[in-house]
Amino acid sequence: DIQMTQSPYSLSASVGDRVTLTCRASQTIRNNLSWYQQKPGKVPRLLISGASSLQSGVPSRFSGSGSGTDFTLIISGLQPEDFATYYCQQSDTSPFTFGPGSKVDIK
Amino acid sequence: QVQLQQRGARPVKSSETLSLTCGVYGGSSSSFYLNWIRQPPGKGLEWIGEVSPAGSTDYNPSLRSRVTISRDTSKNVFSLKLMSVTAADTAVYYCSTRVTASGGFDPWGQGTPVTVSS
Repeated sequence: DIQMTQSPYSLSASVGDRVTLTCRASQTIRNNLSWYQQKPGKVPRLLISGASSLQSGVPSRFSGSGSGTDFTLIISGLQPEDFATYYCQQSDTSPFTFGPGSKVDIK
Repeated sequence: QVQLQQRGARPVKSSETLSLTCGVYGGSSSSFYLNWIRQPPGKGLEWIGEVSPAGSTDYNPSLRSRVTISRDTSKNVFSLKLMSVTAADTAVYYCSTRVTASGGFDPWGQGTPVTVSS
């Protein structure tokens, strides 16, 4: 199985901050990487697929980049509604695997 | 816009079979990769498996011996059966779809909490 790791595990940030989350795959997954946002008690929401394609309705302050094994999700100008856990997920090779998540909370 | 609807919470006893169904609305179930994903309390997400538009299935090896995912295109629903459950199978179970073979999961059902009791 392809192992997905994320860093940081948790971070505290303030409204307006630029936040960078990273995701690494144990082997190349080309650009078959998605990012999800999940708030407590809520359903995960797809933010980005194909490493950098923003889903319809997702604010433009979210951006994704990377290919191969290393990927980044940037939130430019953190908003109160962005405090959540963010998961990366590879869809290159079955079984499809998720990272452990990065929790962004309020400083 | 495709929407997925799951039924409410249900208890399951240890060693029994968990059965869940997901309804597909606003699109044809035969057009999508139909997936099940689960999330144990306080933990991360685990992919269970999927049925493809062609009707083939793919399962997580960690669950393959116990899981069956099927679809009924006439009713536009797909189902999950997980046999011989234990407390470790306690989780919120989500249905979801993928449009392409390498795409992300979207949309998601609202989730069904499943508690396995002894």
